[in-house]
Amino acid sequence: GAVVSQHPSRVICKSGTSVKIECRSLDFQATTMFWYRQFPKQSLMLMATSNEGSKATYEQGVEKDKFLINHASLTLSTLTVTSAHPEDSSFYICSAEKTGSYYEQYFGPGTRLTVT
Amino acid sequence: GENVEQHPSTLSVQEGDSAVIKCTYSDSASNYFPWYKQELGKGPQLIIDIRSNVGEKKDQRIAVTLNKTAKHFSLHITETQPEDSAVYFCAAGDSWGKLQFGAGTQVVVTP
Repeated sequence: GAVVSQHPSRVICKSGTSVKIECRSLDFQATTMFWYRQFPKQSLMLMATSNEGSKATYEQGVEKDKFLINHASLTLSTLTVTSAHPEDSSFYICSAEKTGSYYEQYFGPGTRLTVT
Repeated sequence: GENVEQHPSTLSVQEGDSAVIKCTYSDSASNYFPWYKQELGKGPQLIIDIRSNVGEKKDQRIAVTLNKTAKHFSLHITETQPEDSAVYFCAAGDSWGKLQFGAGTQVVVTP
């Protein structure tokens, strides 16, 4: 159990366009989901915390108008990168906290975004 | 905020030997300490975790120890196998459920 999926796994887009990434918990409910960004050979950096039915909480330095997060159900959160630029190219990973598990986070496989 | 330091950054071991990765944290309020294994191009996989009311936890070849007084915790892998080769991350969780990750350890197990 505790499987998290992400779609798409890879996406290439042109500068100025928007890209949506989906994160789904497949076999459990997740009141809280997290979005991370990871650059090559580096650690995971938390971007925002997403709670079902409420606004996301963004970490310092993360532009909320650029990285739109929606957590519409207990199994789905989406991250939209708006007006993407080459510096937004990165590996985006979501995690889902299993409701009632006391902070256990299960990660998705990640989405490789390349902005040309 | 929380700061997690992880050592070593790289670790090469012979197959069958043990591997130890150490982490320290700064926030005494942290109470959840998971370890993740990440293979190239994939998301992190939770391999073991420990909470602040426990000093040691073991799952087959993997064990984690926690010293709350000294604010450090360690991952021990015994009888290493080539498939243990990956990047391992420690993390410390606060009361809001947010994780602060260490910088990662690249483990290479040579046959």
